[in-house]
Amino acid sequence: DSGVTQTPKHLITATGQRVTLRCSPRSGDLSVYWYQQSLDQGLQFLIQYYNGEERAKGNILERFSAQQFPDLHSELNLSSLELGDSALYFCASSVRDRGLGEQYFGPGTRLTVT
Amino acid sequence: EDKVVQSPLSLVVHEGDTVTLNCSYEVTNFRSLLWYKQEKKAPTFLFMLTSSGIEKKSGRLSSILDKKELSSILNITATQTGDSAIYLCAALTAQKLVFGQGTRLTINP
Repeated sequence: DSGVTQTPKHLITATGQRVTLRCSPRSGDLSVYWYQQSLDQGLQFLIQYYNGEERAKGNILERFSAQQFPDLHSELNLSSLELGDSALYFCASSVRDRGLGEQYFGPGTRLTVT
Repeated sequence: EDKVVQSPLSLVVHEGDTVTLNCSYEVTNFRSLLWYKQEKKAPTFLFMLTSSGIEKKSGRLSSILDKKELSSILNITATQTGDSAIYLCAALTAQKLVFGQGTRLTINP
């Protein structure tokens, strides 16, 4: 158990809908990272927050957005869902900013868009 | 574009064999090289390598970084069926973690 929690574990929704994935980092970690893992794309970095501020952006679609709250939990919002958004979404946390230190992954949220 | 390539993509060996997994990277602002093991769900951290030529060991697993060759290897000796997993290598840059596609390792009894 890495200490990173994610909810929900599974989510099944229809195309066009909007969902919110939630992540709580390990105690003491200030950085939160979001990743998408699909069968054909592998693990892809989406976005990073450090102490409430956006710090780095990867391959995140405009339909997706994220934020980190004062209590350091983070939410990833996915809207206008398409079939291709079906994937495993991981959150990871680390103590420091900008990749300075290893990242610990949560159990993931499996999103299925039908 | 930042890129991490792992080889082989898939490997099937017998229990007790020794395996070597390869990772090469081409990224800007390289900081460290990380190895993860992914079984059913989340990747679990194995090693972080920052200095070239210094081997890190954990039980039967060891890894080393070659900054000149922009590569790293992960060795597993005396493999066990519990070592079956996908092994991910990732290059840590100033901004993000760039993952390779993974090596699927299968250990047959």
